[in-house]
Amino acid sequence: QVQLQESGPGLVKPSETLSLTCTVSGASMSSYYWSWVRQAPGKGLEWIGYFYDSGTTSNNPSLQSRVSISVDRSKNQFSLKLRSVTAADSAVYYCASDYGGNSMFEYWGQGTLVTVSS
Amino acid sequence: QSVLTQPPSASGTPGQRVTISCSGSNSNIGRNIVNWYQKLPGTAPKLLIYSNDQRPSGVPDRFSGSKSGTSASLAISGLQSEDEADYYCATWDDSLSGHVVFGGGTKLTVL
Repeated sequence: QVQLQESGPGLVKPSETLSLTCTVSGASMSSYYWSWVRQAPGKGLEWIGYFYDSGTTSNNPSLQSRVSISVDRSKNQFSLKLRSVTAADSAVYYCASDYGGNSMFEYWGQGTLVTVSS
Repeated sequence: QSVLTQPPSASGTPGQRVTISCSGSNSNIGRNIVNWYQKLPGTAPKLLIYSNDQRPSGVPDRFSGSKSGTSASLAISGLQSEDEADYYCATWDDSLSGHVVFGGGTKLTVL
């Protein structure tokens, strides 16, 4: 059974970088498009981006310049960095496995709340 | 403003059939598969329908999906109280070098 678990700070200061890690068990890091999705309070789901095996990445155009996603195969982890955060980036952040890179998110982490505040 | 348009709310009584629509365009639904997610408060989204009309194992056959042109629909028959949740459609959009898009979500209330 594939399991994903997010970890990282729950509080980030404005203008700093939000960094989260997702630890994967039960799946090869070559099997999925490793993705991040977030949900701001009272809002809908928003796709952030993905990293795929060969180094292929794709990000939400609205966040593109601030986002980087990477994979550490030795640790079975992938990470999100979101730069220059503002209060609008406060959200529950989910890591997820996308089968095929076309929005089919089979497995999800439980989510982690990140608040941007000074 | 979401690229995919869903009604903000839907409702039905137990046993009824309800449908939730998801409207897009030629750059997204018109060219790509649609997936549906169920989101309960405080829990991660759950894949409900994939590839337009396929159910993952464990999803009751009360849930069904369809797609036609640039629109897709999720139907729930034999509505149950535990179906009360937010539902989201999602697909790939070929514009701007390609990216995943979600609908704005539909809150389903079981009366």
